[in-house]
Amino acid sequence: KNEVEQSPQNLTAQEGEFITINCSYSVGISALHWLQQHPGGGIVSLFMLSSGKKKHGRLIATINIQEKHSSLHITASHPRDSAVYICAVRSLRDDMRFGAGTRLTVKP
Amino acid sequence: KAGVTQTPRYLIKTRGQQVTLSCSPISGHRSVSWYQQTPGQGLQFLFEYFSETQRNKGNFPGRFSGRQFSNSRSEMNVSTLELGDSALYLCASSLEYRDRLAGTEAFFGQGTRLTVV
Repeated sequence: KNEVEQSPQNLTAQEGEFITINCSYSVGISALHWLQQHPGGGIVSLFMLSSGKKKHGRLIATINIQEKHSSLHITASHPRDSAVYICAVRSLRDDMRFGAGTRLTVKP
Repeated sequence: KAGVTQTPRYLIKTRGQQVTLSCSPISGHRSVSWYQQTPGQGLQFLFEYFSETQRNKGNFPGRFSGRQFSNSRSEMNVSTLELGDSALYLCASSLEYRDRLAGTEAFFGQGTRLTVV
């Protein structure tokens, strides 16, 4: 079983919809990251969380340390949000573990 | 300010050969980390360098190695290439060690797509 599980694997939404991507992990962590990868490979680091909630524009990320769960929300989704979203955790051994990614397609 | 530059962008090698990939971090960044991405395994951490020293290493065989120079540029080398080494190799730079994926402080290059035939 992967130490970092993401759901769903694939997600298709209509423009304007509210989107949620979930990440559960089974190891002790010092931080959790949400990454965005567009076609062609480029990766952008969206958030780093160790507790609570962060917001940047239409993106909101939350983490519940006790439940070992994080969510990434996108409000008012747009076709340019189409990308693969990857959850990554920094384990207490100081190495990085990655989820398999969620492929999001937002249709106009 | 220039971003993280990886060269080459694409590479085709034959089984058994060796390859060297290069990563130039953002000016002033001292930490460089490397990742391998494949369709089957997803993203996996390779290693991290800070101040010319390897600080952390992922679970990869010894065929995978790297180094960092005094100007913070980093190279990774894969010897005796295998078909399974075909992947997108990404590097990320950040100002300091342990900030390698710290929110907006970490920046990724576009990657080098290696194909082993």
